[in-house]
Amino acid sequence: TQLLEQSPQFLSIQEGENLTVYCNSSSVFSSLQWYRQEPGEGPVLLVTVVTGGEVKKLKRLTFQFGDARKDSSLHITAAQPGDTGLYLCAGEELASGTYKYIFGTGTRLKVLA
Amino acid sequence: ETGVTQTPRHLVMGMTNKKSLKCEQHLGHNAMYWYKQSAKKPLELMFVYNFKEQTENNSVPSRFSPECPNSSHLFLHLHTLQPEDSALYLCASSQDFPETRETQYFGPGTRLLVL
Repeated sequence: TQLLEQSPQFLSIQEGENLTVYCNSSSVFSSLQWYRQEPGEGPVLLVTVVTGGEVKKLKRLTFQFGDARKDSSLHITAAQPGDTGLYLCAGEELASGTYKYIFGTGTRLKVLA
Repeated sequence: ETGVTQTPRHLVMGMTNKKSLKCEQHLGHNAMYWYKQSAKKPLELMFVYNFKEQTENNSVPSRFSPECPNSSHLFLHLHTLQPEDSALYLCASSQDFPETRETQYFGPGTRLLVL
């Protein structure tokens, strides 16, 4: 089973600042997803990236899949308090003939007004 | 509203109790999942059901017993749990399993505390 490390583990920033969250693995994934989980709720899918080097944008959020499909980053521009939450990456792996998602360790973001 | 509901939202139980967690999905999906989310640990897949048949059991202790009577309902029966089983238990569903790049829709979770 592959391991996904996310950094930083915790991040507290002021409204309006920019930030980048990283998701790293030593192994290759066929695709990678990013989720946001707000307190008291389950994770909600933000994006799926599939191709090495792929960049996707979702309003102020920019997601990039590494060229070698081993890592990914999430960049937030002009963070807002509504961005507060736990950000999870999940890499898709093929194991025993089935596809499964392996979740990262998470980055807990707090944006202060 | 994600279309996946879980009850109860919070549960406190002693180590000798028997309780059940319930999950219901209103999305017409065929696959349902149980995950465990503990502090400082990645989300762990516990069980997968596809068309009511269990297709995954990731070495989960027998004190956790899943049940899937139909594609819309999933239960997790709990018996003689340990304090280290305290966690957020998340249910999810997807159209099918194990198709690639499936979007999983998560419920809000049941926060379990074992005393």
